[in-house]
Amino acid sequence: QKEVEQNSGPLSVPEGAIASLNCTYSDRGSQSFFWYRQYSGKSPELIMFIYSNGDKEDGRFTAQLNKASQYVSLLIRDSQPSDSATYLCAVDTGANSKLTFGKGITLSVRP
Amino acid sequence: NAGVTQTPKFRILKIGQSMTLQCTQDMNHNYMYWYRQDPGMGLKLIYYSVGAGITDKGEVPNGYNVSRSTTEDFPLRLELAAPSQTSVYFCASQKNSIGAANTGELFFGEGSRLTVL
Repeated sequence: QKEVEQNSGPLSVPEGAIASLNCTYSDRGSQSFFWYRQYSGKSPELIMFIYSNGDKEDGRFTAQLNKASQYVSLLIRDSQPSDSATYLCAVDTGANSKLTFGKGITLSVRP
Repeated sequence: NAGVTQTPKFRILKIGQSMTLQCTQDMNHNYMYWYRQDPGMGLKLIYYSVGAGITDKGEVPNGYNVSRSTTEDFPLRLELAAPSQTSVYFCASQKNSIGAANTGELFFGEGSRLTVL
């Protein structure tokens, strides 16, 4: 069973702080990694993807990947109340573009 | 361009009843998926399809069936509904080719909230 684990939440940070969301995966052969954001009562939407070890930045978001440690993280800089949502880590299982999702972590940004 | 459309948005079923969740996409995507999401949980893959006429089981297929007769439509059939099938169901699509790198960008419908009593 290929697993994707996210540390239990919820996570609460003050406005303007850095939020750090972490994810580990069990399949060492995984190649592609994704972060989805899901607002309450809404469907998930892709915010970041990363394929290579290291950091990938997109605006206030940075995805970090360490394949040796089987670890992927998402940093949100200058957190805003509008970032309050559940963040789902997803890993490509390698066959037919199927994604395995973690349980998600709920982020709350306090004004 | 409507994207991925799911119907119905809400439904209450009695134990043992059957129903079909409809999903249609107008983006000409060849890959389509059905996920379920239970409270506080991530998405679990039920069934998927890589093109018309091709379907395969995901992680949690028991109690469900699918068909893919056209590129646009991917209905999910629940036979003999059970309380364990109470969940939010998401249909998603992706434009991809077999063997191509996965961009991971799934386009989701708005979800169908199903309650089985």
